Amino acid sequence: LAKTTQPISMDSYEGQEVNITCSHNNIATNDYITWYQQFPSQGPRFIIQGYKTKVTNEVASLFIPADRKSSTLSLPRVSLSDTAVYYCLVGDDYKLSFGAGTTVTVRA
Amino acid sequence: GAVVSQHPSRVICKSGTSVKIECRSLDFQATTMFWYRQFPKQSLMLMATSNEGSKATYEQGVEKDKFLINHASLTLSTLTVTSAHPEDSSFYICSARGAGGFPYEQYFGPGTRLTVT
Repeated sequence: LAKTTQPISMDSYEGQEVNITCSHNNIATNDYITWYQQFPSQGPRFIIQGYKTKVTNEVASLFIPADRKSSTLSLPRVSLSDTAVYYCLVGDDYKLSFGAGTTVTVRA
Repeated sequence: GAVVSQHPSRVICKSGTSVKIECRSLDFQATTMFWYRQFPKQSLMLMATSNEGSKATYEQGVEKDKFLINHASLTLSTLTVTSAHPEDSSFYICSARGAGGFPYEQYFGPGTRLTVT
């Protein structure tokens, strides 16, 4: 499983865009990049997944450069309810290895 | 769709007793389920992988005789913490692999807070 590195924490304000970058230098050819969100005392929730270029859904966008050694999760116009821990996972297996994640705190 | 439930959501037990946690996939069949443990302010740690009808595969360092996992059907997996001790107090989360969805996507349950006194 590819090792990932992401910031420990990020602060933002309501209405701003939050970008979280994850480094995964040893990503393998078959690996997908997946982001999960976890609120306190809840199980993680799938946010978005991508393999290359850009993926967008109703809650986020995922930008993946051509070398795939990093990826950026973009949360547009965050609200207080987006305060959570965001995990970047890289792999081609159902066995997930969670890193420390990024704690995003959104303030009013 | 793709809802996973856990029961109970919270449990308090005395040291030395056993506790069973249930994980159910409500609207899909889960051939594989996973059990995680999460201590306060820490990330999730995979404990074991269970496949329906076969023995669970435990991660290194996880005592299989202490954490008994049974995956008797395509919608139910159970985790039994035997002879629980205060250090077993943690947040236990299960997840299930579905047949569809994104590659390697897992659906997580809401978690069970275990407190051993």
